[in-house]
Amino acid sequence: AQTVTQSQPEMSVQEAETVTLSCTYDTSESNYYLFWYKQPPSRQMILVIRQEAYKQQNATENRFSVNFQKAAKSFSLKISDSQLGDTAMYFCASPNAGNMLTFGGGTRLMVKP
Amino acid sequence: DSGVTQTPKHLITATGQRVTLRCSPRSGDLSVYWYQQSLDQGLQFLIQYYNGEERAKGNILERFSAQQFPDLHSELNLSSLELGDSALYFCASSKGGQGNTIYFGEGSWLTVV
Repeated sequence: AQTVTQSQPEMSVQEAETVTLSCTYDTSESNYYLFWYKQPPSRQMILVIRQEAYKQQNATENRFSVNFQKAAKSFSLKISDSQLGDTAMYFCASPNAGNMLTFGGGTRLMVKP
Repeated sequence: DSGVTQTPKHLITATGQRVTLRCSPRSGDLSVYWYQQSLDQGLQFLIQYYNGEERAKGNILERFSAQQFPDLHSELNLSSLELGDSALYFCASSKGGQGNTIYFGEGSWLTVV
């Protein structure tokens, strides 16, 4: 069974600064994927970034990047140059072989002006 | 816009009633997933369909049922509604294989009074 753990229920960051959200996971899959989703106040679930476990290079999408440490089963999300629009709930997630996502409990991020 | 369409966006109904939530997946996606998110809760996987067949079942109550039709749209039926069923119900879709990105609809807000 997959488990995904986010140990930071809430975080805050000043606008334009950098923040890192933590995620650890456990999986029995030999080849797997990891995702970060963002849920702003509108409650829509928006894909932020996707990482394939067999790729050593960390995924990057504009201001969003991950630090994927396979041996430690750690998948943190770094947000650079934080913007007010980044204020949201962030969920780490991993799919099983059937592509069913298991989500972490979420981290509520507040970007302060 | 994720390409996943859910209707209705909001509904209010009384305890004991039955409602149907509808979902149209992204063009080309064969897999449909249903998730439930209660207030301040994470996302709970309910059920997955792939090309018309049930693929996986999560924490779905017996009072709930779902199906995927030949045109690939899906419906989630919730019956004998209780106050605790009030939640945001997400439909999501993907091409189906592990690691394929799962795109979420905007959700259907259900309030049971």
